[in-house]
Amino acid sequence: KAGVTQTPRYLIKTRGQQVTLSCSPISGHRSVSWYQQTPGQGLQFLFEYFSETQRNKGNFPGRFSGRQFSNSRSEMNVSTLELGDSALYLCASSLARPEAEQFFGPGTRLTVL
Amino acid sequence: GQQVMQIPQYQHVQEGEDFTTYCNSSTTLSNIQWYKQRPGGHPVFLIQLVKSGEVKKQKRLTFQFGEAKKNSSLHITATQTTDVGTYFCAGWDAGNMLTFGGGTRLMVKP
Repeated sequence: KAGVTQTPRYLIKTRGQQVTLSCSPISGHRSVSWYQQTPGQGLQFLFEYFSETQRNKGNFPGRFSGRQFSNSRSEMNVSTLELGDSALYLCASSLARPEAEQFFGPGTRLTVL
Repeated sequence: GQQVMQIPQYQHVQEGEDFTTYCNSSTTLSNIQWYKQRPGGHPVFLIQLVKSGEVKKQKRLTFQFGEAKKNSSLHITATQTTDVGTYFCAGWDAGNMLTFGGGTRLMVKP
């Protein structure tokens, strides 16, 4: 069974731009969560989607948004990028309940210049 | 909001020594999960604990969930160089959000 895939793997943007990251969960997994990982703040929960609906949201500004498609694939968007948005963005999928085991993708390394 | 603290932040051990990382939550957890992230990699699920006082073992790894369901620990017996990485605990609470601890980075000297 293929794992969670994320594209692109690396991205360089400048301040003020926007970015869209993509995540394909493991086949059959309907819950997709997004996390931001930085050396200073660690792993922080962004949001979780299930059946195309945002079910939970972390404490991030409205510049961070996401969506999920009918095939469970998910995208997250960050608008008006700031230097502090440089991070590893990780997507994780689970079968149905978000409190179940999370399968993480390799992440997208975003650098904002 | 829920906070999950993990100590120590770093641990250097000689190969063969034991290692323990501790996790404490500000709120009662419905369950706690442990993940390992190798350098340059992504978190990989190790185990989930659900019951108060639960103890689970995976070969040289022993996981415990506290009686009050607010703390947990991971103990590795006789570390090996393959154990190198950062170990994270992550707790679920009634807020339906998985909160990760800051992680403990384990370095093993051969």
